[in-house]
Amino acid sequence: EPEVTQTPSHQVTQMGQEVILRCVPISNHLYFYWYRQILGQKVEFLVSFYNNEISEKSEIFDDQFSVERPDGSNFTLKIRSTKLEDSAMYFCASRAGGWEQYFGPGTRLTVT
Amino acid sequence: AQKVTQAQTEISVVEKEDVTLDCVYETRDTTYYLFWYKQPPSGELVFLIRRNSFDEQNEISGRYSWNFQKSTSSFNFTITASQVVDSAVYFCALSGPIQGAQKLVFGQGTRLTINP
Repeated sequence: EPEVTQTPSHQVTQMGQEVILRCVPISNHLYFYWYRQILGQKVEFLVSFYNNEISEKSEIFDDQFSVERPDGSNFTLKIRSTKLEDSAMYFCASRAGGWEQYFGPGTRLTVT
Repeated sequence: AQKVTQAQTEISVVEKEDVTLDCVYETRDTTYYLFWYKQPPSGELVFLIRRNSFDEQNEISGRYSWNFQKSTSSFNFTITASQVVDSAVYFCALSGPIQGAQKLVFGQGTRLTINP
C-alpha cells in the first residue's frame, strides 16, 4: 500500500540554523500539507500546497517558513532560522482529489 | 472560523469497559467533513473514520462506533469493550468543502488509558 514517507525521523539543530524537512507524498496525489504538533498539544495546520503554489497558510507559517516541490516527488518544508519554539513533530500529508489526507510518520525537530 | 473542542483531556478506564470520547465542532460551512484520528505512543496519526455533514447515520466498525448529531454539532466516538491496545491520544478533526484547501482543524485530543 502506498504511503507518505518523511525524512529524517528526528532532526536536532541549533537555534538560528536552517532546516529542511523532506516528504515524499503518495505519487498520484495532488494536494500536499504540512502540520505540526508541539509536544503534548494538538496538531496544527501550517500550509497547503496545490498546483505548485500555496493554497492556504496559517498564522504560524510566517516568513521563516517556505515550502517547495522541487522535483515532482519531494515536498519540503524549510525553516530559515530556527527558534526554540519551532521544536515539534512535523507531519506531512497528501491527498488525491478525494477527502482523505494520508499522513506521514512525522519528523521530530529539536531546536537547542 | 472552524473550531473543534474535545473537552475531555484524559480518560482512564479499566479494560473491557465502554468509553465515549466527546467532540463538539463549530463551522459556518454547510458542507463539511468530520474525522477521528488515533495517535498511539509511537506518534503516527492513524485515520479511523470520516463523516460527511449530510450523512447523519451512525456507524459501527467492530468495537468502534460513531454518533454524529448535527443538531448538537457533535461527533462522539465510543469504544466498546475497551482493550489495552486502545490506549492512545484520539483527535477529532474538521475540514471544509472538498473543493477548497481542505485543511484539517484538530481538537486538543483526548488521552485514553486502558488499564488491565
